[in-house]
Formats: sequence, structure tokens, C-alpha cells
Amino acid sequence: QVTLKESGPALVKPTETLTLTCSVSGFALSDVRMGVGWIRQSPGKALAWLAHIFSNDEKSYNTSLKNRLTLSRDTSKRQVVLTMTDLDPVDTATYYCARVRFRATDGTIVYWFDRWGQGTLVTVSS
Amino acid sequence: SYVLTQPPSVSVAPGKTARITCGGDNIGQKAVHWYQLKPGQAPVLVIYYNSDRPSGIPERFSGSKSGNTATLTISRVEAGDEADYCCQVWDGSSDHRGVFGGGTKLTVL
Repeated sequence: QVTLKESGPALVKPTETLTLTCSVSGFALSDVRMGVGWIRQSPGKALAWLAHIFSNDEKSYNTSLKNRLTLSRDTSKRQVVLTMTDLDPVDTATYYCARVRFRATDGTIVYWFDRWGQGTLVTVSS
Repeated sequence: SYVLTQPPSVSVAPGKTARITCGGDNIGQKAVHWYQLKPGQAPVLVIYYNSDRPSGIPERFSGSKSGNTATLTISRVEAGDEADYCCQVWDGSSDHRGVFGGGTKLTVL
């Protein structure tokens, strides 16, 4: 059974760094057919893709946040870690990790998210 | 950046058919994926690659595209289908790349 579970602080102060961990089971982070990504949803807003990482350690980041985001993974622990620096109240959101699948067609790679965690609410406030 | 537009809400009586639309420039050239979101639960992929259904998703859920609009159709709607539904595409030329629609709240009357 595939599961993903997010963990991290519920409250972070402005300018601090947020570290979120995604613990996975039911699939291997070394599986070349899939990756792990992070998506967030701020209150009243649409889902927003943040970043993802694949088995070959290929990483992709939302360009608008790229300088603030870092992804890493520990295959033996089955964990993917997202670090976001310089937090602001606008970063208040539910943060989800999700398994990423992809398909290459006509020279284009398309990604989607086939399994998700329940999400963790992070509030940025002093 | 690429924008996906969804109606904020759709209402339907039990047993009827719900249609939720997702519009975007050249969406006909993109693969569209649909997610079901319920409060406090993990989002669920209900349709991927326009019309493919993951295992475990009822046949009542189907996806299609025509022109600049993708549509999620839910037949024989049940009370348990009440949720937000979001469409998603991957736009490699956009800063955000993984682009989601604003979501549509499906209310079962």
C-alpha cells in the first residue's frame, strides 16, 4: 500500500527556515518510474506546485520560488526533505507531498501526482 | 504564466450527471489531470492524461477535451462525490510548470 506522510512544524516565525519531511512507504525512492513532489495550498487559493525530485536525483523547482527551495532525499530512510528559507506570512499553507508520475510524448515530458499525503498545515506568524 | 480557469461551483442532484470544466489556452495540446479534494483528507487523482482512470476510481468518473476546454464528468452522482475538484496540466514554459486550476466545489443537493 502506497502512503506518503508529511511532518514538520505547525508554526514558523517570519524570516525563519521551514523544513518539511515526506516519509513514504509502498514504493522505493530509487524507482525510475516515479518521483516525489511538494504542492501547497494557501487558504482560499489554488494548489501550487513547488518542486519534485526523481530517482536519478534530478530536481525541478517552481522558478518563482527557486532561490528559497531545496530538495534532498534519503533513500534508506525513504524520506524526501523540502527546505524553504525566509518564510513570510504569505507562505502560510497546507503543504502536501505527492508521488510524481511522468510520461514522455513527442519530446515533451508531462508530470502528474498519483498519490498524496494528507498534508500538514504550516502557519507563518510572529 | 499559464492559467487554468474553473467555475467556482457546480450543483447537482443525486443520480444526475455533473460536468466540471477547465479552460486554458491551447489546452487541447496539453495533458489534463483531475484531483478530488476533501477537507482533512489526502487529495485523490481521479483522471490522468485527459481520460485515463486510476485503478479504484469508479467508472462514473470520466474525462474529455474539446477545443480550449477539458471536462470532468461524474455520472450518477452520489453524496460522497461532494468535494472540490481541480484540474492540472504541466506547462514546461511556465515559471510554475505544474499548473492547477482554482478548483470547483461540487455540491450534491
